Amino acid sequence: TQLLEQSPQFLSIQEGENLTVYCNSSSVFSSLQWYRQEPGEGPVLLVTVVTGGEVKKLKRLTFQFGDARKDSSLHITAAQPGDTGLYLCAASLRGDKLIFGTGTRLQVFP
Amino acid sequence: DTEVTQTPKHLVMGMTNKKSLKCEQHMGHRAMYWYKQKAKKPPELMFVYSYEKLSINESVPSRFSPECPNSSLLNLHLHALQPEDSALYLCASSQDRGGYNEQFFGPGTRLTVL
Repeated sequence: TQLLEQSPQFLSIQEGENLTVYCNSSSVFSSLQWYRQEPGEGPVLLVTVVTGGEVKKLKRLTFQFGDARKDSSLHITAAQPGDTGLYLCAASLRGDKLIFGTGTRLQVFP
Repeated sequence: DTEVTQTPKHLVMGMTNKKSLKCEQHMGHRAMYWYKQKAKKPPELMFVYSYEKLSINESVPSRFSPECPNSSLLNLHLHALQPEDSALYLCASSQDRGGYNEQFFGPGTRLTVL
């Protein structure tokens, strides 16, 4: 059973377009992280959201944690080719165990 | 220093070989992790060390043997691997921050088993 479902699985867009990636669960989490991973590299932590309803911005990226702390979204404004990669949400399940979402593969064409 | 380093970057080994993957962090993090990642999939947790002691083993086959010589180093010893063990092996470290688990990953070792 996958605790964290991401949608869409794949996204292929032109430079300049906006997009939203969703991370959904039936479980409540104390915190949720978003990572970006480029091919052949390790995931890079983008943000951690902790409070229900919290919104965090990182340049053109906006992250939101659902009020009930069961879901999160990542919105990218005016996507650029450098945004291409695998986006992963992740949440702590028990102690040190981090559960990753199913992943969203984004391709931004110039 | 906010980096997790891994060596080697690439490794090709036969099924009868013994090799080791190495990971190092100098951020003073108390927890270190090994993950396995197959193509187009999210990372899968293998092992967790907390304060240099093995705290989680996700039912990993014994042909993978982790070792934590000190708080900065983590090794993964490989022996008699199978071709299906070919994957990207990621190391990560973390430090508690108000109860949530932010992990910092190394660049990974791309392992190919022939």
